[in-house]
Amino acid sequence: DQQVKQNSPSLSVQEGRISILNCDYTNSMFDYFLWYKKYPAEGPTFLISISSIKDKNEDGRFTVFLNKSAKHLSLHIVPSQPGDSAVYFCAATGSGTYKYIFGTGTRLKVLA
Amino acid sequence: KAGVTQTPRYLIKTRGQQVTLSCSPISGHRSVSWYQQTPGQGLQFLFEYFSETQRNKGNFPGRFSGRQFSNSRSEMNVSTLELGDSALYLCASSSQSGTNTEAFFGQGTRLTVV
Repeated sequence: DQQVKQNSPSLSVQEGRISILNCDYTNSMFDYFLWYKKYPAEGPTFLISISSIKDKNEDGRFTVFLNKSAKHLSLHIVPSQPGDSAVYFCAATGSGTYKYIFGTGTRLKVLA
Repeated sequence: KAGVTQTPRYLIKTRGQQVTLSCSPISGHRSVSWYQQTPGQGLQFLFEYFSETQRNKGNFPGRFSGRQFSNSRSEMNVSTLELGDSALYLCASSSQSGTNTEAFFGQGTRLTVV
């Protein structure tokens, strides 16, 4: 049972344009969501997070949007840069569970 | 501030053997989690420790075990290795006692079982 889903395995975007990565979840008990970026042979790097009491969080070029009624979150990267090319994972957690549930990742390729 | 350190980085073991992986969290972090990453399954939660206590365990067989020491360093052990245990094992640490905080990952240990 995949509680966190990233339905797009890959995405290609032109440099300078917006990248939008999507994530859906099924468990209404999740109340904290995160995005990680991963390069090959490295551990995931934390990018940005959002609590369920918010619907938007911004950090520089990265913005995460949360739509609780749709159980959907998205990561916007503006403008996209070639160095953003990596696999992006969304993750979700609920209070008291002490674990993250990860999606299967979306491979982003930013074309120069 | 040093990041999460995992040792060794690479490991090759034979079926039936056992293996111990080590993780040193960021200084001051008391929560340590372990995840297994495989190409088909993504990142799967193994277990989480806080102040030497296991607070949650994922859906893995009993061959997978872990522990945390008083200095917050953690080890995970896999006994009777199977070919399917080949994966990248990731350790993450966080500063808070709860889960609504970000975790920081190490570079992982790549385990290959032959």
